[in-house]
Amino acid sequence: GAVVSQHPSWVICKSGTSVKIECRSLDFQATTMFWYRQFPKQSLMLMATSNEGSKATYEQGVEKDKFLINHASLTLSTLTVTSAHPEDSSFYICSAAKLASYEQYFGPGTRLTVT
Amino acid sequence: AQKITQTQPGMFVQEKEAVTLDCTYDTSDQSYGLFWYKQPSSGEMIFLIYQGSYDEQNATEGRYSLNFQKARKSANLVISASQLGDSAMYFCAMREGGDQAGTALIFGKGTTLSVSS
Repeated sequence: GAVVSQHPSWVICKSGTSVKIECRSLDFQATTMFWYRQFPKQSLMLMATSNEGSKATYEQGVEKDKFLINHASLTLSTLTVTSAHPEDSSFYICSAAKLASYEQYFGPGTRLTVT
Repeated sequence: AQKITQTQPGMFVQEKEAVTLDCTYDTSDQSYGLFWYKQPSSGEMIFLIYQGSYDEQNATEGRYSLNFQKARKSANLVISASQLGDSAMYFCAMREGGDQAGTALIFGKGTTLSVSS
């Protein structure tokens, strides 16, 4: 199988603080990782695409200085929400692509609540 | 224009009945892939089925089948013999540019399926 983990699964933080979310591919090397955001009862919206060792590509409208993405290795990508505000409260999901596979493998998601 | 359209915000079905969830897509690529995912209330994305644009046969996976009508650009999901555990949000998604896993998926707005006993 191909397993992707996310940590933490949920986090509550105060407004103005930063939060880091990790996405790991546990049993394969991920050529590309994706970060999505999902508001309640809505669809998944792509935030950014990250490739190991290079800068992430952000979707239009996503602030790259606010949502810092680092893809330091073929098995780990991190999303840091800087100076979080209540409107950043959302469900963040990562997925990972594996060579020679058409499928993307999703992590279980991280629920962020900013108070 | 939306790339993936799911016109049914909610669907209701009784246990053991079959249900079809609609999905239409828009792309000018010749090579693309279509996916269906299930998202229960826990939030995890569960992969159900995949159809490549060049696949001539409709994809099937257990109780799930994908009714692929290329000319109509539709990729409806058929769930046979619904079960209570099928109650969830269902997303249709597309990847343009062929089977390159390094391209992001584009998701539809989803359909909430409720199965009753």
